[in-house]
Amino acid sequence: SYELTQPPSVSVSPGQTASITCSGNKLGDRYSWWYQQKPGQSPVLIIYDDKKRPSGIPERFSGSNSGNTATLTISGTQAMDEADYYCQAWDSGTYVFGTGTKLTVL
Amino acid sequence: EVQLLESGGGLVQPGGSLRLSCAASGFTFSGYAMSWVRQAPGKGLEWLSAISGAGGSIYYADSVKGRFTISRDNAKNTLYLQMNSLRAEDTAVYYCAKDRGDWNYFFDYWGQGTLVTVSS
Repeated sequence: SYELTQPPSVSVSPGQTASITCSGNKLGDRYSWWYQQKPGQSPVLIIYDDKKRPSGIPERFSGSNSGNTATLTISGTQAMDEADYYCQAWDSGTYVFGTGTKLTVL
Repeated sequence: EVQLLESGGGLVQPGGSLRLSCAASGFTFSGYAMSWVRQAPGKGLEWLSAISGAGGSIYYADSVKGRFTISRDNAKNTLYLQMNSLRAEDTAVYYCAKDRGDWNYFFDYWGQGTLVTVSS
């Protein structure tokens, strides 16, 4: 089965850039999607089709996908961005989620 | 405004059954694939099952194949998950999620979730 691996945690200082990676076999050959989940809340789509932002998602969120790695980048990170982030791909009839990354804004 | 409202969660004994419902509004329900996703306490997201807009295509994760059944009633704008032979490890918040299309393979809206606790 297809697997997506993320670092368990990433720390960033306010105003700095945070990068969260998502690794999977030939992930760059398929689309990747990203969700943000704050404590006690449902996930929210923040990046679709590798790099597109849904309406209402701040421009500081961006995505890329190449080779075996998709990357979520948060520029000018704010305290409100502290959350869990999940990547997702689709493979042979299954929606595959990454292992999740807890972003801490110190 | 898209709304997804799950119900049916609760406490159930191991080996028991439960049926979850997800009432949808704000979009043409029959035009979109829908899924169930769960999250065990303190754990990550786990996709369980998906069904096409017309209900003719269904997929399951290996972890629930043979025990869970997804279905939908497009006349009632409602998605269901029948869960049988429940185990302690099925304890989780269960979300219904709307696919961006039929199929676009990602979720643009999620419900608020319903908690299922499997315990004696």
